[in-house]
Amino acid sequence: EAQVTQNPRYLITVTGKKLTVTCSQNMNHEYMSWYRQDPGLGLRQIYYSMNVEVTDKGDVPEGYKVSRKEKRNFPLILESPSPNQTSLYFCASRWGITQYFGPGTRLTVL
Amino acid sequence: AQKVTQAQTEISVVEKEDVTLDCVYETRDTTYYLFWYKQPPSGELVFLIRRNSFDEQNEISGRYSWNFQKSTSSFNFTITASQVVDSAVYFCALSPRSTSGSRLTFGEGTQLTVNP
Repeated sequence: EAQVTQNPRYLITVTGKKLTVTCSQNMNHEYMSWYRQDPGLGLRQIYYSMNVEVTDKGDVPEGYKVSRKEKRNFPLILESPSPNQTSLYFCASRWGITQYFGPGTRLTVL
Repeated sequence: AQKVTQAQTEISVVEKEDVTLDCVYETRDTTYYLFWYKQPPSGELVFLIRRNSFDEQNEISGRYSWNFQKSTSSFNFTITASQVVDSAVYFCALSPRSTSGSRLTFGEGTQLTVNP
């Protein structure tokens, strides 16, 4: 089954403790992206990747890192999480023009 | 820069009513793509439709229809004979053609509640 998977789905952590949210797709898509969703703000793009080793900033990249060492994986790294990064995070991959989203990761930073 | 505005934060209707969700956008690009996504209570984002800016033909899919008007920069979504299962947050989004769909700007979302 074609899909985008994210792990973990839920995470509660404390300020400053490094964490990684994984994203994987099995569709051989070149493009992948990360978004965060906050009430009243919709979804905002954090980073995106056009292919292996090619990444670029979206609209809200501060406080996040990404890497793209292989086509199927695009992890989101928070080196020193802060409470304002509490959010719902979505990974997406793109087929043609349309982006398809993973199930989401709800992150709470205390 | 792109901007998408969904002025209706919440809409509540009774089952079988028709409902229209508004979407207004701003962009300097002459060609672009517009999207609608649905986020049901389970939280996932479901792709509904994509329109190209150079194709202003309206589209109907079952109970769903979309009205694209370039002159007013709007891409409205109508659900006919709404059902409880239509209850969800609906997002409108815009992507400049120059980015091949890489840069996606979302509106704030409209929470639709369909009551039995």
